[in-house]
Amino acid sequence: AAGVIQSPRHLIKEKRETATLKCYPIPRHDTVYWYQQGPGQDPQFLISFYEKMQSDKGSIPDRFSAQQFSDYHSELNMSSLELGDSALYFCASSLGRTGDNTEAFFGQGTRLTVV
Amino acid sequence: AQSVTQPDIHITVSEGASLELRCNYSYGATPYLFWYVQSPGQGLQLLLKYFSGDTLVQGIKGFEAEFKRSQSSFNLRKPSVHWSDAAEYFCAETDSWGKFQFGAGTQVVVTP
Repeated sequence: AAGVIQSPRHLIKEKRETATLKCYPIPRHDTVYWYQQGPGQDPQFLISFYEKMQSDKGSIPDRFSAQQFSDYHSELNMSSLELGDSALYFCASSLGRTGDNTEAFFGQGTRLTVV
Repeated sequence: AQSVTQPDIHITVSEGASLELRCNYSYGATPYLFWYVQSPGQGLQLLLKYFSGDTLVQGIKGFEAEFKRSQSSFNLRKPSVHWSDAAEYFCAETDSWGKFQFGAGTQVVVTP
């Protein structure tokens, strides 16, 4: 079965550079979530989209932005990268809201290293 | 606000022994609860989930969890641990919009 695809799997950037992470949800899933997991930390919610509209926002820095496109894939844009942005970034997708007895499926993550 | 607590940061268990990982949640309404496992450098794999109904939930890899509303707990158990179960385990709670609140995680080490 198709899963959530994230690209790239690994990314190395220098400080002050820009990075774009992509997430391709499971076909027909209309909801996408982004999480950031720092070294030794639990995943922290960044932002989510439902039907191409932002549905919720967590602890996402102003330097980061995200959107969901017409084909439901999502991109997380990160500018003016800092060393502290080094983390594993997860994307998850679901069909509708989790509260409707559905579940979110996580991708393998993109490991971003800022040097 | 949601809050998930995993009291044990690190657990060491012998192969073949039983395992129980504790999780307490704080969301007042009907919670949606999950257990995920993460191997080093890997993504999150869903072990099991609880939405409603039977309070004893069976998952993959021989894991089960019991939802106890009176104790606000959703503990994960496995009767006999295998070396491949060594990983980090996250308990998570979500609201109706799927925003997950994860616990801090419990690192499980399996000894021969």
